Amino acid sequence: QVQLQESGPGLVKPSGTLSLTCAVSGGSISSSNWWSWIRQPPGKGLEWIGEIYHSGSTNYNPSLKSRVTISVDKSKNQFSLKLSSVTAADTAVYYCARRYDSSGYWYYWGQGTLVTVSS
Amino acid sequence: SYVLTQPPSVSVAPGKTARITCGGNNIGSKSVHWYQQKPGQAPVLVIYYDSDRPSGIPERFSGSNSGNTATLTISRVEAGDEADYYCQVWDSSSDHQVYVFGTGTKVTVL
Repeated sequence: QVQLQESGPGLVKPSGTLSLTCAVSGGSISSSNWWSWIRQPPGKGLEWIGEIYHSGSTNYNPSLKSRVTISVDKSKNQFSLKLSSVTAADTAVYYCARRYDSSGYWYYWGQGTLVTVSS
Repeated sequence: SYVLTQPPSVSVAPGKTARITCGGNNIGSKSVHWYQQKPGQAPVLVIYYDSDRPSGIPERFSGSNSGNTATLTISRVEAGDEADYYCQVWDSSSDHQVYVFGTGTKVTVL
């Protein structure tokens, strides 16, 4: 059973960089899957941030692309998110999730981690 | 960008049928996926590829997709079905490829 676990600071200062890591267990990050980040502001809906394949190929949401970097560390079986120049609007629960290659949906999700942008 | 519109809320009595719509331009030409999200929890996939159910999801959950509307139907509603529901598609119609979620529908069991 694949499990995903997000980790990282719960508080980030405005104009700073949000950094999160998703540890993958129960499966290899080098399998035929895309590894995604999705966020949800408090009381609001879901927003896809971007995804990465183990080869390093990435896809980003155009609305965030200029500020987002997703990377993969195969040796640690994990992938990471960096979001720069954050504002209060980036306060959200951040989820990591797995999408099987050639599918368009996410079956496995992490539990989510709340990141608050505040001074 | 592609927009998916859902009703903010749907109320249904136990044992009755809840229908949640997801409107989008020619959504019938896309594959629609549905998620259930309970408070404080991650979303759970309940329908994929318009009408397929993952293992463990009750047969009471079904989906359809045609024209400009996709629909998630919950038959014989139970108290445990009370949650937020989101539709989702992959949009490749513009210069960019992006995964889009609907606005979400809160299902209340009366």
